[in-house]
Amino acid sequence: GAGVSQSPRYKVAKRGQDVALRCDPISGHVSLFWYQQALGQGPEFLTYFQNEAQLDKSGLPSDRFFAERPEGSVSTLKIQRTQQEDSAVYLCASSLGMEPYNEQFFGPGTRLTVL
Amino acid sequence: GESVGLHLPTLSVQEGDNSIINCAYSNSASDYFIWYKQESGKGPQFIIDIRSNMDKRQGQRVTVLLNKTVKHLSLQIAATQPGDSAVYFCAEKVWNRDDKIIFGKGTRLHILP
Repeated sequence: GAGVSQSPRYKVAKRGQDVALRCDPISGHVSLFWYQQALGQGPEFLTYFQNEAQLDKSGLPSDRFFAERPEGSVSTLKIQRTQQEDSAVYLCASSLGMEPYNEQFFGPGTRLTVL
Repeated sequence: GESVGLHLPTLSVQEGDNSIINCAYSNSASDYFIWYKQESGKGPQFIIDIRSNMDKRQGQRVTVLLNKTVKHLSLQIAATQPGDSAVYFCAEKVWNRDDKIIFGKGTRLHILP
């Protein structure tokens, strides 16, 4: 497939567990974004990579959230010591990263439920 | 499948009628606006965009109107079809920056048979 893929699609964690969510961007896309979408809300920005460099992590809600993209392709969002308020859909998007127009293509998301 | 949003404002439209979804944006610096469609269990899908140097832009069955004075966007869908059932989000960003998108509140569009 040519789109953004995410895995797992669903994750159930007990409170206090660590989770890792994976994003495979579209091949050749330089930029990668993570968003959090709570139930009934629009997606909210978490963090942004250009190749392997994390250029903006202003949206990460706490230091329990960590994202990496070590080789400038696949990215992992890690949440340590999960809390119930972390329950949400986590969306990944990628773009070519070529100015001026940078359409972001979204993956299907990972639905995280923290019990 | 799971619902994208259980408590969103809902617009119910008869199949075949036109739909108008409204949105207010917040950032005066934003000069690029996008409408997304999100179906249950899927990520947001691009529908149409508009830059701030335009007031209106048309696509296939969709039209976006921009009123910068009152920071208002609308999405018009002509001859609404069952496949148009989804949650619709407006979004804003700065045009020439490879940067985050700021999403507005969504509206659920429900098509009546």
